[in-house]
Amino acid sequence: DADVTQTPRNRITKTGKRIMLECSQTKGHDRMYWYRQDPGLGLRLIYYSFDVKDINKGEISDGYSVSRQAQAKFSLSLESAIPNQTALYFCATRGEAGVGTGELFFGEGSRLTVL
Amino acid sequence: DAKTTQPTSMDCAEGRAANLPCNHSTISGNEYVYWYRQIHSQGPQYIIHGLKNNETNEMASLIITEDRKSSTLILPHATLRDTAVYYCIVRAFHTGNQFYFGTGTSLTVIP
Repeated sequence: DADVTQTPRNRITKTGKRIMLECSQTKGHDRMYWYRQDPGLGLRLIYYSFDVKDINKGEISDGYSVSRQAQAKFSLSLESAIPNQTALYFCATRGEAGVGTGELFFGEGSRLTVL
Repeated sequence: DAKTTQPTSMDCAEGRAANLPCNHSTISGNEYVYWYRQIHSQGPQYIIHGLKNNETNEMASLIITEDRKSSTLILPHATLRDTAVYYCIVRAFHTGNQFYFGTGTSLTVIP
């Protein structure tokens, strides 16, 4: 089983609908992230969380909200989806700062299409 | 975090070394250089990181110039499976500073 699991993997929805992308991890990491990737572009940070009580905005948080339900779960919501939110979304985790390599571990991605 | 500059794309013959450059002229003393790669639309994968000294692991080597303003990721014997987008990122290791990914270098390994 993957260490970082995203659901759904693919979703097609209509403008104005509420969408939730879920992420769960088995790595025991405190830090979790949501990134967005558009075709031909790099990843852009949406939100990140250092623990259950900590939520921080990234580069492009407008139109998104997040919930850290538990250490292992971090959900991304689009309250009212719009077509320009069509993208590939990645969840990632990282261990405590200064521990190990400090690398990010990514999920397999959730492809969202908003019609 | 310091900004990085990478070529948009590169080609490499299969079996040859792939040398991917990265400029980070504004890097601070406490910032590490990280390399990730993304194969097709999969989640990015960590390759290697370093501060001052050259580093090598089972995937690649990282060469950092003495002034730390640039670095090169070396894949010693490129295979077709190394075709991917490679991201160079600089960030402080012991802080909460985040990883900001640019557009990276699209490496194509040619048979």
